[in-house]
Amino acid sequence: NAGVTQTPKFRILKIGQSMTLQCTQDMNHNYMYWYRQDPGMGLKLIYYSVGAGITDKGEVPNGYNVSRSTTEDFPLRLELAAPSQTSVYFCASTERELAGFSYEQYFGPGTRLTVT
Amino acid sequence: QKEVEQNSGPLSVPEGAIASLNCTYSDRVSQSFFWYRQYSGKSPELIMSIYSNGDKEDGRFTAQLNKASQYVSLLIRDSQPSDSATYLCAVKGAGSYQLTFGKGTKLSVIP
Repeated sequence: NAGVTQTPKFRILKIGQSMTLQCTQDMNHNYMYWYRQDPGMGLKLIYYSVGAGITDKGEVPNGYNVSRSTTEDFPLRLELAAPSQTSVYFCASTERELAGFSYEQYFGPGTRLTVT
Repeated sequence: QKEVEQNSGPLSVPEGAIASLNCTYSDRVSQSFFWYRQYSGKSPELIMSIYSNGDKEDGRFTAQLNKASQYVSLLIRDSQPSDSATYLCAVKGAGSYQLTFGKGTKLSVIP
């Protein structure tokens, strides 16, 4: 298994441009997540999905959009990029809860985005 | 607003010593607790999970949970320079689909 993969690894955008960050997992996990991580600020949840066709906002959704048409893929769309979106973006996935406790998230390698 | 608090560090320990990392959380009904290790420039890696009060040991790592005090800790025995990283505490509330992460504690193990 490749686990969680993300593309691209690095990207520089100009203000106002748009792009899609790709995330794919091959573990048949139902739950998928997008986080951003700013230096010294921990991980902030942007959007998450509990299955194909179902998405919901996290803590910091403004400026982003997501879709989930398949179990494997969960792309994150940035529209009208702004310098405040300069960050490292991580995608993660987890299995559906079994006993109501297990919730171990597995992370992709990240995308480092700079908006100038 | 659910909060997870960690000392940002850096926490410096000599090689071979025990490193103790602490985390407190605000949501009293939290039910699952996790420790992630993150090397500089890399993604978080799950190293421990704990769901009930008490201790859970895995190799050199021991996670401790005290729900009454809303406190979870990670002990690293026989610390090695390769343990130098930022350690993230994460908490899941009952009925939630989300994890709340602390800002992380940076650990430096001095040879």
